[in-house]
Amino acid sequence: RKEVEQDPGPFNVPEGATVAFNCTYSNSASQSFFWYRQDCRKEPKLLMSVYSSGNEDGRFTAQLNRASQYISLLIRDSKLSDSATYLCVVYGSSNTGKLIFGQGTTLQVKP
Amino acid sequence: NAGVMQNPRHLVRRRGQEARLRCSPMKGHSHVYWYRQLPEEGLKFMVYLQKENIIDESGMPKERFSAEFPKEGPSILRIQQVVRGDSAAYFCASSWGAEQYFGPGTRLTVT
Repeated sequence: RKEVEQDPGPFNVPEGATVAFNCTYSNSASQSFFWYRQDCRKEPKLLMSVYSSGNEDGRFTAQLNRASQYISLLIRDSKLSDSATYLCVVYGSSNTGKLIFGQGTTLQVKP
Repeated sequence: NAGVMQNPRHLVRRRGQEARLRCSPMKGHSHVYWYRQLPEEGLKFMVYLQKENIIDESGMPKERFSAEFPKEGPSILRIQQVVRGDSAAYFCASSWGAEQYFGPGTRLTVT
């Protein structure tokens, strides 16, 4: 079983749609969680950290369910510029700095 | 505040040559990480360094690969006697706390 699993997609949605990505992780001791965005295999860019209480940044909402070891990202009112690969990322259990990346979910927003 | 800087951005080496990849962290960041992204694959952790110390090298191949972060100057990822399978994008990240910020990467092609 992969340490971090994501549905690779692609998700093809029209502008203005709401889209949700899910992610599961295998290590219950993991403490920190993030969503990154990667465009055309350029460098990953930090989108948001994910907190136990859930957090929102504009059109983006992230949630964490520790009991189910499940992380989600919701994007509302999709823009063309949201087209990218979204990476679910978990800190390794020892918190030595090792980030564990999911394979990524590809989003294509169409006009 | 300049971001993480990496050079060169593209590097072509023949099989058997050495590759040296450089990374300068963001100002104020004392932690450096190296990740590798093979074609069509996700990012994989290689090594975590602080100044003059290797903290976690659990992702480094046992042979031919080494990394350092000297007291002065950039972090260096060195690959000796490169083989075709080393062709990949190598990303460096830096952090002060939990959130890691990535440089633009070095794309290594081994011919």
